[in-house]
Parts: sequence; structure tokens; C-alpha cells
Amino acid sequence: GQQVMQIPQYQHVQEGEDFTTYCNSSTTLSNIQWYKQRPGGHPVFLIQLVKSGEVKKQKRLTFQFGEAKKNSSLHITATQTTDVGTYFCAGQRGNYQLIWGAGTKLIIKP
Amino acid sequence: DVKVTQSSRYLVKRTGEKVFLECVQDMDHENMFWYRQDPGLGLRLIYFSYDVKMKEKGDIPEGYSVSREKKERFSLILESASTNQTSMYLCASRGGLSNYGYTFGSGTRLTVV
Repeated sequence: GQQVMQIPQYQHVQEGEDFTTYCNSSTTLSNIQWYKQRPGGHPVFLIQLVKSGEVKKQKRLTFQFGEAKKNSSLHITATQTTDVGTYFCAGQRGNYQLIWGAGTKLIIKP
Repeated sequence: DVKVTQSSRYLVKRTGEKVFLECVQDMDHENMFWYRQDPGLGLRLIYFSYDVKMKEKGDIPEGYSVSREKKERFSLILESASTNQTSMYLCASRGGLSNYGYTFGSGTRLTVV
């Protein structure tokens, strides 16, 4: 069935280093969404990408949607402790549902 | 801001009990969803509803049912709770024509003993 693979599962970085998570779909997606879940919290919507090749920025976060609309990435520049959490991608399935990646946990090394 | 409210943050129930998890949203959203989240398994869709009295099975509906009698309220029912239903349950809503994503409630951590 339709799947969205997300890697890596974990990423340990020093504060100030960059972080990237990648999502790949087995099929073309109509759009892709990104969420952040803080430890002990619930997923919070960050952004939606719709167009092929789209790039969007939110301060230190850069989101990309591939030309074939099958892959996406989230890049955080110069991580801060407030960035800690799990980042999920989710591709649209049909009119209502999302197919979720397994998430990438960002851990800041002490 | 859209608010999605789940009735309980923590719940402990006994095996075999009937359990009701309630979710209310205040932004007139058509679509509502119930997920469970388990370590290593991510978010799995149990049921969703795209309109009052309408429901669709998600990926793991077995052992669950839902009710949507009013637009703002979507209830998840565990007919006979079992220990393998111990999990974090997340409710979400989304407007039909929105370019925004899902808004999640704070979650209910259910423990079945």
C-alpha cells in the first residue's frame, strides 16, 4: 500500500549544528504536510507544500517538495534547544486522510 | 485559534470495561479523526468522520467504534477494553477547504489494566 518513509529515525546534534529529515513516498502526493511534536506534547502543524519543486522557509526552517512530488525534506539551520522534538511528514491520501511518516527525533547533545 | 479538546488527559480502565473518549472542536470543522500513537509505530488512524453521522474506518478500526451525532463532537468507543489498547489517543480536526493542517487535541493517555 501507499507508504511514506521518513529518515533518519533519530538525529543527535550539537546545539548550533544543522538538522535534516527526509521523506519519500512510493506514489505521487497531492501535497505534503510537516508537523512538530514536542516531548510529552501533541503534533503541531508547521506547513503544507503543494507545488512541484516548492521551497518554503519559516525562519531557520526550510521545507522542500520534490519535482516529482514524491519526496520532501525539512532542514533546520543552527539548531536551538527549542527545536527539540519529533518532526513528522504526512502525505495526503484521498480527500481526507494523511499517510504519516514514522518521524525523526531531534536530540540536542548536552 | 482552533481548539480541539479531549475530555481526559489520563485514564485508567479495567480489562473488559466500555471506554468513551470524547473530543470537541470549536471551529466548525467538517473532518475529525482519531489516532493512536505508540512508540516505534508512529500515528495510526483508527476512524475518521467527514460529516455528522458519517464515519469511515482507518487503518486499525478493530476493537473500536465511533460516534458523531453533532458536528463539533467525535467520540471514540472501546467496546471492551483490552491491555493492547493501552496507548496515547489523539483526536484531530480539519476544515474541508482549509489549506491548514490538522489541529490535534492534547491527547488521552489510556492505560488498561
